[in-house]
Amino acid sequence: NAGVTQTPKFQVLKTGQSMTLQCAQDMNHNSMYWYRQDPGMGLRLIYYSASEGTTDKGEVPNGYNVSRLNKREFSLRLESAAPSQTSVYFCASSERTGGNNEQFFGPGTRLTVL
Amino acid sequence: GDSVTQMEGPVTLSEEAFLTINCTYTATGYPSLFWYVQYPGEGLQLLLKATKADDKGSNKGFEATYRKETTSFHLEKGSVQVSDSAVYFCALSDPWVGDMRFGAGTRLTVKP
Repeated sequence: NAGVTQTPKFQVLKTGQSMTLQCAQDMNHNSMYWYRQDPGMGLRLIYYSASEGTTDKGEVPNGYNVSRLNKREFSLRLESAAPSQTSVYFCASSERTGGNNEQFFGPGTRLTVL
Repeated sequence: GDSVTQMEGPVTLSEEAFLTINCTYTATGYPSLFWYVQYPGEGLQLLLKATKADDKGSNKGFEATYRKETTSFHLEKGSVQVSDSAVYFCALSDPWVGDMRFGAGTRLTVKP
């Protein structure tokens, strides 16, 4: 049982390049999330998908797009990377959104934009 | 909007010392409260949770009590170990809102 997996683990981009971060979960969860983690700021939600076929903006959506490809997979795309997007990105999933639903996290992707 | 404020770090303790990490929250509804732990190079893992006022969450010797009157959810452990060194995040989840709000995190280092 792999839980939440993310690829790649590390990535270095030049300003203006694009890339897609991949996330998959094998727990049959309905809801999936993308966060970024910056020093001293905790985790901030970028986008989430409450269920297959739906996506919603979180706290910091600018510069990102997402696709809920199917129930298992939720990708995050940077169309034109900027140095301000240097961060560690975490994908998470939960049975449902809100309430007492625990979120399960992937190991993260460390992204550097030069 | 809903928010979480937790004790600034870093915190450095000797093995077997008592630990408290403070966490307070602001919420319009009746949120569930969580503590997550992040070990170096890993994602976050749930440590404990409480879903209503006066509930006590506990796991691996850690405890936290949901105090509605003081809007707090402080994390405590009676005797820390070197293996407890990690970053601890307080978080809340509102039943009517889809996302979870996290505090800034508190780095704990336990020295032998």
